[in-house]
Amino acid sequence: ETGVTQTPRHLVMGMTNKKSLKCEQHLGHNAMYWYKQSAKKPLELMFVYSLEERVENNSVPSRFSPECPNSSHLFLHLHTLQPEDSALYLCASSLSGENTEAFFGQGTRLTVV
Amino acid sequence: GESVGLHLPTLSVQEGDNSIINCAYSNSASDYFIWYKQESGKGPQFIIDIRSNMDKRQGQRVTVLLNKTVKHLSLQIAATQPGDSAVYFCAETGSSYDKVIFGPGTSLSVIP
Repeated sequence: ETGVTQTPRHLVMGMTNKKSLKCEQHLGHNAMYWYKQSAKKPLELMFVYSLEERVENNSVPSRFSPECPNSSHLFLHLHTLQPEDSALYLCASSLSGENTEAFFGQGTRLTVV
Repeated sequence: GESVGLHLPTLSVQEGDNSIINCAYSNSASDYFIWYKQESGKGPQFIIDIRSNMDKRQGQRVTVLLNKTVKHLSLQIAATQPGDSAVYFCAETGSSYDKVIFGPGTSLSVIP
């Protein structure tokens, strides 16, 4: 266990559905991240929250909407997704502003049908 | 543009042998480098890190080497075991983790 928990582990959704991914960390970190991992591609940073403020949005489509209500929780709200959005979505946390490693959750395997 | 890449996408080694996984980076301003291991069905797991003021760092059975002259990073695994089979990612970052860049990954297979 890394101290970062993601739910659900697997999700299948239709293109018209609305769903949310949840991430929770128990490490006392103050920065949280969403990554997308597709087959045969490097990890893609989607969103960064530092001290509960969004600091990075790497041109992610608006059908992905993050929410960080406090430093321990991070959500990714999904709506009207496309089949190409099927991927492993990873949450990570770290100490903001310091060169330390991030701790990753086990990911949510998302399939859009 | 900035990129972090791996020389070998796949690597097969005999159990007990040493493994070397290589990584090239292009941003000379990067000052912190991390190796992650990702097993099937799991998220990436931190293995070892190194800062740019060092050229070598050792952990338990793992050693990271940094050559800033040629912008090259390597991960050495001693006495490779079946449990080492995974995808290994290198990552680089500058002033903060917000700007981390991951390489594409190398798949390591250990032959019993």
